[in-house]
Amino acid sequence: DAGITQSPRYKITETGRQVTLMCHQTWSHSYMFWYRQDLGHGLRLIYYSAAADITDKGEVPDGYVVSRSKTENFPLTLESATRSQTSVYFCASSGGAGGYQNIQYFGAGTRLSVL
Amino acid sequence: DAKTTQPNSMESNEEEPVHLPCNHSTISGTDYIHWYRQLPSQGPEYVIHGLTSNVNNRMASLAIAEDRKSSTLILHRATLRDAAVYYCIRLQGAQKLVFGQGTRLTINP
Repeated sequence: DAGITQSPRYKITETGRQVTLMCHQTWSHSYMFWYRQDLGHGLRLIYYSAAADITDKGEVPDGYVVSRSKTENFPLTLESATRSQTSVYFCASSGGAGGYQNIQYFGAGTRLSVL
Repeated sequence: DAKTTQPNSMESNEEEPVHLPCNHSTISGTDYIHWYRQLPSQGPEYVIHGLTSNVNNRMASLAIAEDRKSSTLILHRATLRDAAVYYCIRLQGAQKLVFGQGTRLTINP
């Protein structure tokens, strides 16, 4: 199906393990984003990417790694998961060319629990 | 500070208009105002955006003050499906949305 999809939807892992969250979009959008949302709070930007092979830090990048070798994919890796990284993670994309191209489209989210 | 100021919660009745206020007193001349909403257990979804003029779309209207220090999202006839957290966001430069706490809107039947 067209759109933006995240996988897995739910993940339970243990402290110290590496975890990769996947994000795939079919619109060929230039920009992609990763946010985290902690219980009862708004979203905070982790990393974003303006194009393939171009990434930049957001508000809370520590403990996370991203890559973007293809326009349509933007995986987020927790190299050594900690309990504080228990959260709901949202991926988003936008065309980024101004006006209505700045609208961000969000995935359904990945609920990650680190035990 | 890039964040905006919104009431934590508001309540309205079904089929009545809802006016959601937002304060962005430090906004610069080129910052767009975006509104997103987040329904329970879902990702945020775009509602509307504007720069200086009032804007209308099928979901809502956006009224922006002349000095641009505040704006109001208007849902003309609220339904139960409009119950959500509404975020007012300044879009600055490089596409970054800075989410605040938002307003939790409750719609009473």
